[in-house]
Amino acid sequence: SQKIEQNSEALNIQEGKTATLTCNYTNYSPAYLQWYRQDPGRGPVFLLLIRENEKEKRKERLKVTFDTTLKQSLFHITASQPADSATYLCALGGSNYQLIWGAGTKLIIKP
Amino acid sequence: DGGITQSPKYLFRKEGQNVTLSCEQNLNHDAMYWYRQDPGQGLRLIYYSQIVNDFQKGDIAEGYSVSREKKESFPLTVTSAQKNPTAFYLCASNRGQGTYEQYFGPGTRLTVT
Repeated sequence: SQKIEQNSEALNIQEGKTATLTCNYTNYSPAYLQWYRQDPGRGPVFLLLIRENEKEKRKERLKVTFDTTLKQSLFHITASQPADSATYLCALGGSNYQLIWGAGTKLIIKP
Repeated sequence: DGGITQSPKYLFRKEGQNVTLSCEQNLNHDAMYWYRQDPGQGLRLIYYSQIVNDFQKGDIAEGYSVSREKKESFPLTVTSAQKNPTAFYLCASNRGQGTYEQYFGPGTRLTVT
């Protein structure tokens, strides 16, 4: 069955450093991959989408890579700030508009 | 202000009672979705609708029902047949037709005792 893995342990990063989160998947060939941010008790907020034929996507301090051979996406936040602290979810999509979601990684940026 | 609203934020029910969660959007989106979120798990799709008066079951539809009589509204009923209904419920929408990012409401936390 399809499986998505995100690091279940919280990631602690010092303010100003680059945070890197990982999303690995198996038994699936997604057409695209998305990253969302979720704050406690709130709905996820869309951040970035990367398609299967794209290697890298950037938006301000965010960068996403997508390696379909390794079946992995990396999500980077450069010059991290305490306000970046949240849970980050990855989601895979195919042709039917349905998404398969990872459980998320909690990111803590320490001042 | 455009967006998705869900009400109420917190909901408490006794076992054996049906309960309906509200989801309204004014984004003019065609597609709407209901997810359930449990600790340590990814979002799981309950039902989705790509167009008014049509909806499909997701991965965990048993014990749930929906309707889509208006484009703006997609209410979810949690029936007494749902064995473990306590969870955080999220409604989302998007334009469908090839646009993939989803817009989420604030969620409803349902507790059944």
